[in-house]
Amino acid sequence: NAGVMQNPRHLVRRRGQEARLRCSPMKGHSHVYWYRQLPEEGLKFMVYLQKENIIDESGMPKERFSAEFPKEGPSILRIQQVVRGDSAAYFCASSPPVSGTNEQFFGPGTRLTVL
Amino acid sequence: GNSVTQMEGPVTLSEEAFLTINCTYTATGYPSLFWYVQYPGEGLQLLLKATKADDKGSNKGFEATYRKETTSFHLEKGSVQVSDSAVYFCALAAGGGADGLTFGKGTHLIIQP
Repeated sequence: NAGVMQNPRHLVRRRGQEARLRCSPMKGHSHVYWYRQLPEEGLKFMVYLQKENIIDESGMPKERFSAEFPKEGPSILRIQQVVRGDSAAYFCASSPPVSGTNEQFFGPGTRLTVL
Repeated sequence: GNSVTQMEGPVTLSEEAFLTINCTYTATGYPSLFWYVQYPGEGLQLLLKATKADDKGSNKGFEATYRKETTSFHLEKGSVQVSDSAVYFCALAAGGGADGLTFGKGTHLIIQP
């Protein structure tokens, strides 16, 4: 059973470009979470999605950031007009439909560098 | 709101030493508590968890007990190895539903031979 997949693992963008990060959850998992880890910091929750629905986006910046989890295909975190401050590691996690403990399984992350 | 506070690192120990990494939390309700480990260049791996007061999570020689009275979930290991060198994150999930996890800032552990 493959784990959570993220790609690309490393992404370099120039200021003003768009970044698209992809996440495929574990098989049978319908909940996806995105987190951002700034250098020397812990992970900060960004958004929680189920298939075709955003459940909680309280951690998402109000501008330039968006996320989706379509009926088919991976979840996408999209950052428009990137700035240097967006440089970070972005982690995706997934969990099964019913989980009383909210245990989440993490992918290897995408390391975004904005030049 | 929810928050997690853990001791700052780096923590440097010799091999076979006893390890404690402190973690305290603030949360409404009855959260689940987790320790995750991150090796260099990798994602987070769940190390252990506890879902209710007085539960003890354990894995790979690591232990942590959910203490509601002190709102703590300290990580311990009796004899550390060089391979335990990593960053350790304490986290909580608010009780009752599928929510984003709240993480501490992480503690970098360095074990010297």
